[in-house]
Amino acid sequence: DQQVKQNSPSLSVQEGRISILNCDYTNSMFDYFLWYKKYPAEGPTFLISISSIKDKNEDGRFTVFLNKSAKHLSLHIVPSQPGDSAVYFCAASSQGYSTLTFGKGTMLLVSP
Amino acid sequence: DGGITQSPKYLFRKEGQNVTLSCEQNLNHDAMYWYRQDPGQGLRLIYYSQIVNDFQKGDIAEGYSVSREKKESFPLTVTSAQKNPTAFYLCASSIDGQGFYNEQFFGPGTRLTVL
Repeated sequence: DQQVKQNSPSLSVQEGRISILNCDYTNSMFDYFLWYKKYPAEGPTFLISISSIKDKNEDGRFTVFLNKSAKHLSLHIVPSQPGDSAVYFCAASSQGYSTLTFGKGTMLLVSP
Repeated sequence: DGGITQSPKYLFRKEGQNVTLSCEQNLNHDAMYWYRQDPGQGLRLIYYSQIVNDFQKGDIAEGYSVSREKKESFPLTVTSAQKNPTAFYLCASSIDGQGFYNEQFFGPGTRLTVL
C-alpha cells in the first residue's frame, strides 16, 4: 500500500518555463514533507521541506506548496534549467518518527 | 569536510555469498538508515538505527543484517537469504533519531551486482 504517490513517472519542460511536480499522500499522520533530487548512480540530495503548519515554503527557484485537506503537495521550479534534469522524490514523515516514506519519483527533463 | 561515505562504488559477488557494504559518517548524527533502490521504485527502507547499539527493521529487512557498534558506522550485510540482492544501496543519516529533525543526508551509494 503506497502511502506516498507520485503519479507522473516523467515530466518534460523547456528551459525557462515552470516545472510542477506533484505528490499525494494517504496517511493523515504525516506532518512533515521533503523533496529530494537525485542524479543517476548518486545519492539523493535534500532540496526543500515543509511542515504541516505551513502551506508554502520558498527557497530560491524552488517552492513547495502543501494542501492538507487534499493531502497533496507540489514542487514548483521557476525558471527551470537544464541542470534541474534529475529524478525528484517526495518523502513524508510524522513528528516523533525519524523514518521517511518515499514516493517512486518523477524524472524531470529540462530541454534547452 | 563532513559527509557520508559508502564504499566501494561498485561491488560484484557470486550468488550464495554474503557481502558487507560499508557506511561511515562524520556528521555526528545519531540516526542512520539503509535503503535499497530498484528501477522504477522509490527508496525502500531496509534497516535503521536511532542510536548506537540499537536498530530496527524497515519495510524490507528479510535477507539483510546490520550492526551499530559505533556512532559513525552502520554496515549492512546482504546475506545469501536475500532473493534479489542486485540493487543500488543507499546509506543515510539524520541529526537525531527522535524525529524532530527529519532531513536525511545520503551517501553516494553502492551498486551491488550478484552474478
